[in-house]
Order: sequence, then structure tokens, then C-alpha cells
Amino acid sequence: AQTVTQSQPEMSVQEAETVTLSCTYDTSESDYYLFWYKQPPSRQMILVIRQEAYKQQNATENRFSVNFQKAAKSFSLKISDSQLGDAAMYFCAYRSGGNYGGATNKLIFGTGTLLAVQP
Amino acid sequence: KAGVTQTPRYLIKTRGQQVTLSCSPISGHRSVSWYQQTPGQGLQFLFEYFSETQRNKGNFPGRFSGRQFSNSRSEMNVSTLELGDSALYLCASSGQGASYNSPLHFGNGTRLTVT
Repeated sequence: AQTVTQSQPEMSVQEAETVTLSCTYDTSESDYYLFWYKQPPSRQMILVIRQEAYKQQNATENRFSVNFQKAAKSFSLKISDSQLGDAAMYFCAYRSGGNYGGATNKLIFGTGTLLAVQP
Repeated sequence: KAGVTQTPRYLIKTRGQQVTLSCSPISGHRSVSWYQQTPGQGLQFLFEYFSETQRNKGNFPGRFSGRQFSNSRSEMNVSTLELGDSALYLCASSGQGASYNSPLHFGNGTRLTVT
């Protein structure tokens, strides 16, 4: 079974600084997708960034980028130029690719990292 | 385009009762997934529906059930409520059931409290 681990329950960063959130996962599959979701107090899960396992290039979305180390099964999120609006719970998630048991939108989530942004 | 809509936003029920939660996906989306979020267990997958068929199911007892209608709207039902069912229930929709690269779009959730 696949697992996702986020070892940092809480993190804090100063406004305009950079912070990195850690995520490791365990799987025997070679085809999968990885995601970072943000959950602000409004409760809605918002997709931040995603990475296909077959792509070696790290995904980037504006101030958000990932460091995807497939061999190490590591998928960290870097937030540059942190803003007050970045304060939220961040979840790392795994989804199997289509070669294992058919199509699925089942996500396996980590336990989350609560990010505080200090002004 | 309207986002994923979940109703109601808050529910208070008594142990032993049953409850039905509703989810309207983004227009055109055919896949709907349900997740339970609790402080103790985190986010756990309940089930997924695609074109009115349950495609995947998580490790939850049979008291948890769901269905999807022809317009892709989905409902989940929990019978014989227990205190441990108190949670935030999140619904997510996806546009391409046969493509694995389509992201999930989540609703704001339904907060269920069982007393």
C-alpha cells in the first residue's frame, strides 16, 4: 500500500522569505502523480502544484516549486517570497497512475503541515 | 464556471440517526470523490463515482454509502451515526474520468457533528 509522510506538523516563515515543506512517500508503482494542496481556514482544498512521476523536470507554478527526487521518494514544496495569504494547512498527496487497477481519482494524503506566515 | 457545491455546510445529528450529504460537481465533470477529514485520522478516501458507477471504495464500514445521478450530482449517506463520524466531509470533482492527469476540484465541505 502507498503511504505519504509529512514530518513537519508546523512551520513558520517571515513574509517575503522562502520556506520548504517536506514530503516523502512510499510506493512500489512506477506510474503515479504527486500533488500539493493548500487548505486555508475556509476549508476548501486548493491545488497548488502537481508532478507526474515520469517527468524528471520539477514542476513550477509562480512562487511555488517542487523538488522531486524519485529515487529517494521525496517531494518537497518550496514557497518563495512568502505572503500572508500563503498561511494555511498544506497537504501532500499521491495518486496512482492508470496502469494499476484502472482509472482512479483516489488520493492518499499526508497528515499536513500548518504554515504560519509572520508579518 | 461555478465550483463544486456541497450542501449543507453544517449539520448536527444525534447518534443512531442517518444523514445525507449532497455534492454538485463542476459543470461537465463526471467523476465525484468523497473524503472524510478528522483531526485523528486526517484525510481519508471514502469512494469515487464516475458516470453513476462506483469506481473505487475506501476502507469504511457499510454504513457509509453513496450514489451518483445522471446529472453527475452525488450524495453520500451515513446510517446509524456514531460519535466518531463527526468530521468534515469533502467532495471533489474531476473532468476527465479516463485521464489520470485531471486535477481534483474540491468543495467547501460539510461539517457533520454527531452528539
